[in-house]
Amino acid sequence: DTEVTQTPKHLVMGMTNKKSLKCEQHMGHRAMYWYKQKAKKPPELMFVYSYEKLSINESVPSRFSPECPNSSLLNLHLHALQPEDSALYLCASSQDRQPNQPQHFGDGTRLSIL
Amino acid sequence: RKEVEQDPGPFNVPEGATVAFNCTYSNSASQSFFWYRQDCRKEPKLLMSVYSSGNEDGRFTAQLNRASQYISLLIRDSKLSDSATYLCVAITGGFKTIFGAGTRLFVKA
Repeated sequence: DTEVTQTPKHLVMGMTNKKSLKCEQHMGHRAMYWYKQKAKKPPELMFVYSYEKLSINESVPSRFSPECPNSSLLNLHLHALQPEDSALYLCASSQDRQPNQPQHFGDGTRLSIL
Repeated sequence: RKEVEQDPGPFNVPEGATVAFNCTYSNSASQSFFWYRQDCRKEPKLLMSVYSSGNEDGRFTAQLNRASQYISLLIRDSKLSDSATYLCVAITGGFKTIFGAGTRLFVKA
């Protein structure tokens, strides 16, 4: 079982809907990440939060809006998505007391845009 | 040129074989490196960290060569359960994480 929990596991939404993906970890990690993974491709980094502050935004379109309400939670708010946004969205966390630590992944949310 | 490059394979090997994967990275500022495995429709799972001094965990050995900017993974005595995609990862500046495209391994009885 993964120590990073993502909900929902599957999400189907229309292009005009607003929805949120949620991620939770209780390992005391202070860095949290969102990735997008298309089929047969590697994960691509979207956002990184360190100590609840946005540290990296990899030029992600504004229809994706991250939020880190506290050190254990990470949300990804979705609005007006496009069909090409259909993918597996992975959350990960790592320690931040030392740099360059390995990341631990949740099992992802499989998103389909109609 | 991709920042992290891997041979996509697939590698088809019999049980008990030794198989080696290589990965090259282009950013000399990359500071830490890892191997992950990913099973079909599952999340990546950390396999091992990679150090210049080498790192061994049972049947798995990882090595970093900073001068040549390459990382390797050696799997000895392959098992059917080793069949997966192996992803090489380079991290720069603490958090900027780049995955290689992955190498597919099929171990056959």
